[in-house]
Amino acid sequence: AQSVTQLGSHVSVSEGALVLLRCNYSSSVPPYLFWYVQYPNQGLQLLLKYTSAATLVKGINGFEAEFKKSETSFHLTKPSAHMSDAAEYFCAVSEGDNDMRFGAGTRLTVKP
Amino acid sequence: NAGVTQTPKFRVLKTGQSMTLLCAQDMNHEYMYWYRQDPGMGLRLIHYSVGEGTTAKGEVPDGYNVSRLKKQNFLLGLESAAPSQTSVYFCASSYGRAPYEQYFGPGTRLTVT
Repeated sequence: AQSVTQLGSHVSVSEGALVLLRCNYSSSVPPYLFWYVQYPNQGLQLLLKYTSAATLVKGINGFEAEFKKSETSFHLTKPSAHMSDAAEYFCAVSEGDNDMRFGAGTRLTVKP
Repeated sequence: NAGVTQTPKFRVLKTGQSMTLLCAQDMNHEYMYWYRQDPGMGLRLIHYSVGEGTTAKGEVPDGYNVSRLKKQNFLLGLESAAPSQTSVYFCASSYGRAPYEQYFGPGTRLTVT
């Protein structure tokens, strides 16, 4: 079955600094990959998704992620962190069936 | 357009009690899902439905039952609650399988004492 590993349960950056959240996946077929964001006391919202159309995927709020098959990675980046980016971020993988597997999550803290 | 709504938002149960969580969506989605979220474990799929009258087991189905009598509603039941079922429960819906995205409700925080 497919699986996702998110490296780093907590990441802290300064406002204006680069955000890098790491995600590695395991899949027996070409996967669909997703990044979701969860703000405190809310449900998850889609940031972006990879569907094999392009390896560099742009999402909302200035985030983007690059699919690297050779590294089985789908890391999330943002050039300049904003205070409003503080949240928990989840990477997820699906092989096109009904089972989407989520990573354990990375909590992003942004320091002023 | 409310999206995905869940009731209740909070609930405290004693061990052995039963309850039902209600999920409703107004996007005419065929697929609906129930997840539980636990610290350090991400979201895990409990049960899902691919249409009215259908249900299927996910990754962690034991101790839960579900029903999808109407397309817009998906109910999650706990027949005899256990402390291990203390968690935050999320409902989601989607138009179809991946790559269609899932839309999530705000969650229900359940504590079993």
